[in-house]
Parts: sequence; C-alpha cells; structure tokens
Amino acid sequence: KAGVTQTPRYLIKTRGQQVTLSCSPISGHRSVSWYQQTPGQGLQFLFEYFSETQRNKGNFPGRFSGRQFSNSRSEMNVSTLELGDSALYLCASSSARSNTGELFFGEGSRLTVL
Amino acid sequence: AQSVTQPDIHITVSEGASLELRCNYSYGATPYLFWYVQSPGQGLQLLLKYFSGDTLVQGIKGFEAEFKRSQSSFNLRKPSVHWSDAAEYFCAVGALRGKLIFGQGTELSVKP
Repeated sequence: KAGVTQTPRYLIKTRGQQVTLSCSPISGHRSVSWYQQTPGQGLQFLFEYFSETQRNKGNFPGRFSGRQFSNSRSEMNVSTLELGDSALYLCASSSARSNTGELFFGEGSRLTVL
Repeated sequence: AQSVTQPDIHITVSEGASLELRCNYSYGATPYLFWYVQSPGQGLQLLLKYFSGDTLVQGIKGFEAEFKRSQSSFNLRKPSVHWSDAAEYFCAVGALRGKLIFGQGTELSVKP
C-alpha cells in the first residue's frame, strides 16, 4: 500500500507570491490533515478535511487555505507569502474508522520564501 | 489547555546504552498518546501509540512506552540504542479528529 505522497518536495518562492501544495492520502483514507513545522514553533496544526469538508482548523491567518477533492486528495494554498511561511508542510491521512487520531504522514513539502 | 511537554531538547547516549525520553501531557479526558520519529528531511513515522488498556505499549524498532496517569507521563524507552536511532522524537496527544498536539521534540544523538 502506497504511503502519503506530497508534491512538490521542495520549492522556493518570493514574498508576495502564492503557493499550492498537493497531498495524496493512503488509499482508503478519507481524512487529510495539514501541519506546519518550523524550528521556532514546532509542529502546528493547520486544518483537517474529511469528505471534502473542513472539519477542524488551527490558528492560522486566512492566507492559509485548503480543499479536498472527491478522491480524498487535498491541496493547501498559501497566498501573499511572507518570510515566516518558510517551513516544512506535512500532510497526514487517517482512516475514517479510526477514532483515535492515528495519523500517517508524508515526507513533506519544504517551502523557502525569499 | 491541552499541551505536551518534552523537557529534554537534546539527548546524547552511547551506542548500546539504554534510552528514556520524557513526555508529559495535559489533557482533560483519557488521552490518546503517540510517539513519532523524524529523520532529517523526512516526515514523521509512528513508533507506538496508547489508546487504553495495558499501560506498557510496544512499538516498532524495539521501542516501548509506559503510560502513567498519575504522573501524566508517557515516556519512551529502548534498552539498547543503535546508531540508526539518531533522529528527532516527538510525543503527541490526540485532540480532535486529525489534530495532534505535539511536544517540541527531543533530538537524539548516538555516540559510537
């Protein structure tokens, strides 16, 4: 069974631009979550989608958005990039049958904002 | 508020020595607890999890963790560390669906 796949793995943008990151969950998993990882703030929850609906959201500004498609693939978008958005963005998927929050993570998309 | 504390930012152990990484949590209900490991440039890999029942849980790569409700702790242990165990370790508590609250991580270095 293939794991969680994130693309692109690395990208460089400049301030003010926008970026879209993609995540394909494990086959059969319908929940997709996104996390931001930085040296200063650690791992922070962005949002979670299930059946194309955002169920939970973290404390991030509206520049951070996401969506989920009918095949459970998800994208997140960051508009008007700031230097502080440089981070590793991790996607995780989980089974709808799991009530326990066990997440399976992808390898992440490393975003550098110049 | 829900939180996870990993008191040790960085630990160095000799190869073959035993290891214990500390984790304390703050959570109102019965917690779902996890340990993840992250190698440089990689995502997070689940080592083990606690949901209920036996308070000593076994994980992959020879790791185990013990849940102690009275101490609000979920410490990770390994009897004999291998050089390949060098990585960053994260303790987490399950909050809402899809949302884990992570500790700041403990970086493990292994001396030959």
